[in-house]
Amino acid sequence: DIQVTQSPSSLSASVGDRVTITCRASQSITRYLNWYQQKPGKAPNLLIYATSSLQSGVPSRFSGSGSGTDFTLTISSLQPEDFATYYCQQRYSNPYTFGQGTKLEIK
Amino acid sequence: QITLKESGPTLVKPTQTLTLTCTFSGFSLSTSGVGVAWIRQPPGKALEWLALVYWDDDKYYSPSLKSRLTITKDTSKNQVVLTMTNMDPMDTATYYCAHSGSGSFGSFDTWGQGTLVTVSS
Repeated sequence: DIQVTQSPSSLSASVGDRVTITCRASQSITRYLNWYQQKPGKAPNLLIYATSSLQSGVPSRFSGSGSGTDFTLTISSLQPEDFATYYCQQRYSNPYTFGQGTKLEIK
Repeated sequence: QITLKESGPTLVKPTQTLTLTCTFSGFSLSTSGVGVAWIRQPPGKALEWLALVYWDDDKYYSPSLKSRLTITKDTSKNQVVLTMTNMDPMDTATYYCAHSGSGSFGSFDTWGQGTLVTVSS
């Protein structure tokens, strides 16, 4: 199985900050990496697919990059509604594993 | 507009079989490239992918749970059913179904609201 490891597991930041979350796969997944945002009590919401493609309706302050085993999600200027938990997921091979999550909290 | 909704029991006893139904609208599971997945999330924990069925009836299961899972589709009813046998308290979780489309590289682009299943005697 391909493991995906996110870092950090939690992060405190302020409105307006630039934030980066990383995801590392245990082997190459080319560009089959997706990012989701989840708010408490809600279903996850797709932000970025295929490493860097912005899902329709997602603000342009969200961006993704990487390839192979190392990937990043960047939020260019944090807004109050961005405080949530973020998950990466590899879609390269079965099982389609998720990372353990990064909880983004208000400083 | 794509929507999905999970339904099923909220409480099951250990060793029982869980049957969950995902009823969807806004797409057809006979369209090339389309799939429906099941994902679960224990309280306070991370997401875990369980199973996926495609328009052509190809099915994929998490290897760690494969012996306990069955996923089926009913295209005429716009439903996908997941069964999980031999339920254990560790299977207590919110269970989600999600749409997977070829246009988004197979990502899970639309999710249901989820249904909490508690396993307890």
